Amino acid sequence: EVQLVESGGGLVQPGGSLRLSCAASGFIFSTYWMHWVRQAPGKGLVWVSRINRDGSSTTYADSVKGRFTISRDNAKNTLYLQMNSLRAEDTAVYYCVRESVEVTVDLDYWGQGTLVTVSS
Amino acid sequence: SYELTQPPSVSVSPGQTATITCSGDKLGDKYASWYQQKPGQSPVLVIYQDAKRPSGIPERFSGSNSGNTATLTISGTQAIDEADYYCQAWDSRGVFGTGTKVTVL
Repeated sequence: EVQLVESGGGLVQPGGSLRLSCAASGFIFSTYWMHWVRQAPGKGLVWVSRINRDGSSTTYADSVKGRFTISRDNAKNTLYLQMNSLRAEDTAVYYCVRESVEVTVDLDYWGQGTLVTVSS
Repeated sequence: SYELTQPPSVSVSPGQTATITCSGDKLGDKYASWYQQKPGQSPVLVIYQDAKRPSGIPERFSGSNSGNTATLTISGTQAIDEADYYCQAWDSRGVFGTGTKVTVL
């Protein structure tokens, strides 16, 4: 069974940093591209970032580029999101998401999410 | 940046057909996916590559994509289909639609 378990969320002050982790199991982690998607309270889904299988290629939404860094450790089956210079508008549930093996960018498994709250 | 627009809400009677649209510039030239999200739960992929259903998704869910509009159709809508639905496409970056709340009256 595919499982994606996020951790690391919490309350942080504006300008602060936080690192999210996502523990993957039930599939060969190193063979899948991975994403982070966020959802502010009561709002819609927003794509955040994507990383390729070996971590050599990353893409970011304009809203987080230069502040967030996606990475992975295939030996530990873990995806990360390092978030710096956090702003109030970064407050959201952050989902770790697996991209399907299809040639198209479809997101076939989602974690339960971890809540990040940026507030003083 | 690329944008996808959906109607905020769609209402449907049980057993009837719900149609949800997703509009974007030349969306038909890209592949569209659809996700269902129920309150307090994570999203679930219900349609990928415009019209394909993942394993376990009921046949009443179908999709199409042409021109500037992708469409998710729920035939014989059931109460359990009440949820938020989001379209998604890839345009050098990920893009989600604005979301549609489907209410089964």
